Amino acid sequence: EAAVTQSPRNKVAVTGGKVTLSCNQTNNHNNMYWYRQDTGHGLRLIHYSYGAGSTEKGDIPDGYKASRPSQENFSLILELATPSQTSVYFCASGDLRVEQYFGPGTRLTVL
Amino acid sequence: GDSVTQMQGQVTLSEDDFLFINCTYSTTWYPTLFWYVQYPGEGPQLLLKVTTANNKGISRGFEATYDKRTTSFHLQKASVQESDSAVYYCVLGDRGSALGRLHFGAGTQLIVIP
Repeated sequence: EAAVTQSPRNKVAVTGGKVTLSCNQTNNHNNMYWYRQDTGHGLRLIHYSYGAGSTEKGDIPDGYKASRPSQENFSLILELATPSQTSVYFCASGDLRVEQYFGPGTRLTVL
Repeated sequence: GDSVTQMQGQVTLSEDDFLFINCTYSTTWYPTLFWYVQYPGEGPQLLLKVTTANNKGISRGFEATYDKRTTSFHLQKASVQESDSAVYYCVLGDRGSALGRLHFGAGTQLIVIP
């Protein structure tokens, strides 16, 4: 069974603070993705990665950084969190020939 | 650029009703199209996939047909159940890149009343 896990599942942060969201996959997929989900927008791509050591900007990268230290792990980093980054964040692994497998999501609230 | 349009934000039906969710897409490539479903508290999961090779996808009683002429990819089910209550996303796969990027529609919340 394909598996993508995310931590933490819920996070409350203060404006200006640093936030790191973590993702782990056991699918051995080369590609990994970070999305945010907001009502009326569906899921929007923030960053993605071809493999260990690579990160690429998606459609809405401003205010976010990403890190892919290994095949299994992909992190999303908010260096200076803002209230507009309050959202639900999803990590996924896969490629176009197979479905993308999504994690359970992280609910982030920035106060 | 590639995009997907879902106009129905919410659909409310009774059990055994017919379901129809509209979706249209825009792309310069031959599309690969998906419907993903998201249950409360979970991430999206693939419901069905259609390519230009097969035109039609069927899964768990749901059916979607890709129509190149109208650039549409509507989702249908003959008889919905309460367990079908979820958010449904129409998704366009970007074959213009090797990354396998997905473009999501805004989603349609389906509420099925028992």
